[in-house]
Amino acid sequence: DAGVTQSPTHLIKTRGQQVTLRCSPKSGHDTVSWYQQALGQGPQFIFQYYEEEERQRGNFPDRFSGHQFPNYSSELNVNALLLGDSALYLCASSLPPNTGELFFGEGSRLTVL
Amino acid sequence: GDSVTQMEGPVTLSEEAFLTINCTYTATGYPSLFWYVQYPGEGLQLLLKATKADDKGSNKGFEATYRKETTSFHLEKGSVQVSDSAVYFCARSENSGGSNYKLTFGKGTLLTVNP
Repeated sequence: DAGVTQSPTHLIKTRGQQVTLRCSPKSGHDTVSWYQQALGQGPQFIFQYYEEEERQRGNFPDRFSGHQFPNYSSELNVNALLLGDSALYLCASSLPPNTGELFFGEGSRLTVL
Repeated sequence: GDSVTQMEGPVTLSEEAFLTINCTYTATGYPSLFWYVQYPGEGLQLLLKATKADDKGSNKGFEATYRKETTSFHLEKGSVQVSDSAVYFCARSENSGGSNYKLTFGKGTLLTVNP
């Protein structure tokens, strides 16, 4: 049973560029959440998708957007990259009903130069 | 706002030592509480959880008790092993209605266990 898979694992971009990160949830999971983990910090909630709609959003600017596909996979898009966007981006999946137990992927490490 | 505060690291222990990592939370209502662990080179994984006051979560020799009166969820292990070296994150869930939950994490505590 495959867990949560993310791609790419590492990437380097320059300021002003755009990036798309991809996530396949654990088999049978229909809810996908994205988190940003800066170096030495805990993960910060970006947004959550369920039934192809954004259901919740954290304190992130509109430059961060996402999408969920009918097969429950998801993308995170970041436009107009800033140096401060350098971080590990984590995808997590879950299956309601739940009390917040999430299954995380290994993350996509984004470096913005 | 609602938050999670955990003990600053790093923590360095010898094998078989006793471990405590403190965690306190603020919340309106009654969140579920979690400890997640991040081993080197791996993704976050759930270590244990507790969903209501006085519940004790346990796994792999680790324990934590949901204390509503002190708003705490301290992680303990009686005898650590080198393989326990990792970053530990305390987290609380927040429900915005229906089945939509999100987690708020502490900053993490790096534990290094030496042989």
